[in-house]
Amino acid sequence: RKEVEQDPGPFNVPEGATVAFNCTYSNSASQSFFWYRQDCRKEPKLLMSVYSSGNEDGRFTAQLNRASQYISLLIRDSKLSDSATYLCVVNGAGGQNFVFGPGTRLSVLP
Amino acid sequence: DARVTQTPRHKVTEMGQEVTMRCQPILGHNTVFWYRQTMMQGLELLAYFRNRAPLDDSGMPKDRFSAEMPDATLATLKIQPSEPRDSAVYFCASDRDAEAFFGQGTRLTVV
Repeated sequence: RKEVEQDPGPFNVPEGATVAFNCTYSNSASQSFFWYRQDCRKEPKLLMSVYSSGNEDGRFTAQLNRASQYISLLIRDSKLSDSATYLCVVNGAGGQNFVFGPGTRLSVLP
Repeated sequence: DARVTQTPRHKVTEMGQEVTMRCQPILGHNTVFWYRQTMMQGLELLAYFRNRAPLDDSGMPKDRFSAEMPDATLATLKIQPSEPRDSAVYFCASDRDAEAFFGQGTRLTVV
């Protein structure tokens, strides 16, 4: 079993839709959690960190459930520019490395 | 605007040749990572360093890959000899306060 798993995707949604991505991780000692975004043929970039209390940044909401070892990302009112691959990232035990999930590709259609 | 710099951006080489990829981390970042990305495997962690010391290279094929950090401003990833299955995008990233910043990657093609 991979250490970080995500919805396989791809997700094709119309503009304005709400879309949710799910992620699970296997190492219960993991300490930090993130969502990264990667555009086609570009490097990954931090979208947002994920906190136990949940956090929101504009149209994006991230949530963490440590008991279930589950992370989610919700995008509301999706825009064409949201089309990208979304990567769930877990900072490993000891906080020393970043383990990436396989990513979920999102295409927002006009 | 500080950024991680990788060279070369693209490399095409013949099987059996040595390939060296270079990375300049952001000044002041003390952790440096090497990742490889392919369509099939996604982003795989190859190795990482903290304060220039190698912490983990278990993700790296030891027989042909080597990673070093000769000084705080340079990290290298070397493949010798290269094989077609090494074709991928190799990313370097550096870390500050648990946020990893990535370079633009080296796109390697081994023919």
